[in-house]
Order: sequence, then C-alpha cells, then structure tokens
Amino acid sequence: ETGVTQTPRHLVMGMTNKKSLKCEQHLGHNAMYWYKQSAKKPLELMFVYNFKEQTENNSVPSRFSPECPNSSHLFLHLHTLQPEDSALYLCASSQELLAGRTGELFFGEGSRLTVL
Amino acid sequence: AQKITQTQPGMFVQEKEAVTLDCTYDTSDQSYGLFWYKQPSSGEMIFLIYQGSYDEQNATEGRYSLNFQKARKSANLVISASQLGDSAMYFCAMRGPPHNKFYFGSGTKLNVKP
Repeated sequence: ETGVTQTPRHLVMGMTNKKSLKCEQHLGHNAMYWYKQSAKKPLELMFVYNFKEQTENNSVPSRFSPECPNSSHLFLHLHTLQPEDSALYLCASSQELLAGRTGELFFGEGSRLTVL
Repeated sequence: AQKITQTQPGMFVQEKEAVTLDCTYDTSDQSYGLFWYKQPSSGEMIFLIYQGSYDEQNATEGRYSLNFQKARKSANLVISASQLGDSAMYFCAMRGPPHNKFYFGSGTKLNVKP
C-alpha cells in the first residue's frame, strides 16, 4: 500500500460506545495530523504529532483521545461521543521542509463517523 | 485571526471555460507555503498546486495555475478549460508558522455546467 490509509471508512456508533479510528502512512513522513470536517464548516485541526510527540491540541474535548505509537501510525480513540461529533475525520501526514520539497499534506480518504 | 480567506462559497463555470477561485492570506512571516486542494464528493483531499513565498514565478501544474500576488497577499487558483470532473470543493491552505501547522480556508464549491 502507498500513501495514507484510514480505517474504517465508515463508522456508526452510539453515544456510549468506544471505538477507534486508525491511520497509517507509508510515506516516511514525520508529522501526522487529525482534522475534523463537519458539514458546511472549514477543516478543523484537532491534533498534530511530530516525531511521535504531540505538538498541537486544538482545544479538543477529552472524549477524543489521540495516540501515536510511532511515526507511521496514528489513532483517534472515541468514547461517549455526541451527535454533533458526526463528521468526516481526515488523517494527514507531512514531511519536514527540505530543499526542493513542497512539504504538502498528504491526506487519507477519511473516516465518516455517525453518532446516534 | 483568520489566516486564510476564501470569499466565494460557490461558483459556477461553463465547461471548457476558465475559472478563478480567490484566496487571500494573512501572515507576518517571510517564509511560508501556499497550497490548493481539491475535495470531490467522495471526501479525499487531493493536492493540486504549491507556491512558495520566495518563488518569483507563478506555479503551474497542467490546467492549474496559481496567480500569486505577494504584496496583496493573494493566491488565486486558475483552472483553465474546465471539465465536468472539476466539480468539487476547493480549499486554499497555508503552511506555517509554525512550519508543521497548516491553515485552511472555508472552501469554494465549484460546479462545472455542461
């Protein structure tokens, strides 16, 4: 596999469930991101990990818990979510800026979450 | 403060015509990168084009070009010869500072009419 892979692509869960979203990148990048995209809203940055260390937590509620065991894997653990958490969750990765490199974000296809 | 502004929530363009999607940005940094992404209805974000703040020439990638006006802090995307498959959401983004943080605009929904 190449690029950024997210699983599951679709998830339906109740408010009392616990589930996890998984992201894996095969690009050798050292930064990984979680974004939330709700209908009719801009992309919201949730978390940034750089070399496995969390460098950004954009005031995300504690019912979202990220985990980055290594530079290739990123998880988003979900528990006691609310219906307003229903959204497309996008994972992305990027590389350090190097000469001749643009350093763009590479996105996965997203996990569409519905909270009942 | 909002870093990226896209003032066009929706645009229509006739197939085979050119269209310009507007983007302005706000930064006091001298070194930054500007990006455009396309998001079809399926959801994936597709990187289209990049412009570095020190690049003197406007970036081009096939039918996509970036009209970079540094003094005005604008980075408009121009799509030439629109195709039906160009119908999608388009997001303008800026990298940094810090260097591993990306700021996205609210997007422009482009509809290409046959």
